Amino acid sequence: EPEVTQTPSHQVTQMGQEVILRCVPISNHLYFYWYRQILGQKVEFLVSFYNNEISEKSEIFDDQFSVERPDGSNFTLKIRSTKLEDSAMYFCASSEARVGQPQHFGDGTRLSIL
Amino acid sequence: KNEVEQSPQNLTAQEGEFITINCSYSVGISALHWLQQHPGGGIVSLFMLSSGKKKHGRLIATINIQEKHSSLHITASHPRDSAVYICAVEGGTDKLIFGTGTRLQVFP
Repeated sequence: EPEVTQTPSHQVTQMGQEVILRCVPISNHLYFYWYRQILGQKVEFLVSFYNNEISEKSEIFDDQFSVERPDGSNFTLKIRSTKLEDSAMYFCASSEARVGQPQHFGDGTRLSIL
Repeated sequence: KNEVEQSPQNLTAQEGEFITINCSYSVGISALHWLQQHPGGGIVSLFMLSSGKKKHGRLIATINIQEKHSSLHITASHPRDSAVYICAVEGGTDKLIFGTGTRLQVFP
């Protein structure tokens, strides 16, 4: 069964450094998402992406964050200057349609900011 | 106030028991999702429903749109069912709004 893959599984970065989290969505999916989960808290929506542009973003997704689909397969989340509070598990998801279809999640990237 | 509330927060069961996890929401929705988060962190979609009831193996999900309530049932629970079960709703936009999850432990 096709799956969403995320790399790396764990990223350790110094505060202030840039980090790029990578995702390969399911190939025929058109809608892409990033979520984050701070340790011990619920999953929170960051951003959705369709047709090479952001379709919705949350208050968390400030100017430090950006997303890109640089080629036909990868979907990336960049954090420009990481802060301690960016430490979290970041999940990528994809779906066939905007609403009414299940979202398929990757296994997540655990980001640790030192 | 959270838009999606789950109960209980923690649940312990003996193998074979029937389990119910509840989800209430306060927003209008187009669909509700039940997800399973494994101890390692990965998230798996179990059900997506907008009305009625769905069944997959030992799992059953129901939703009552009028009462803004959904339940996830596990019949004949097994230790491998131990995980965090998360309810999430689609409010007609792209994003999913998540509950805080129910941590289930099933002991042999």
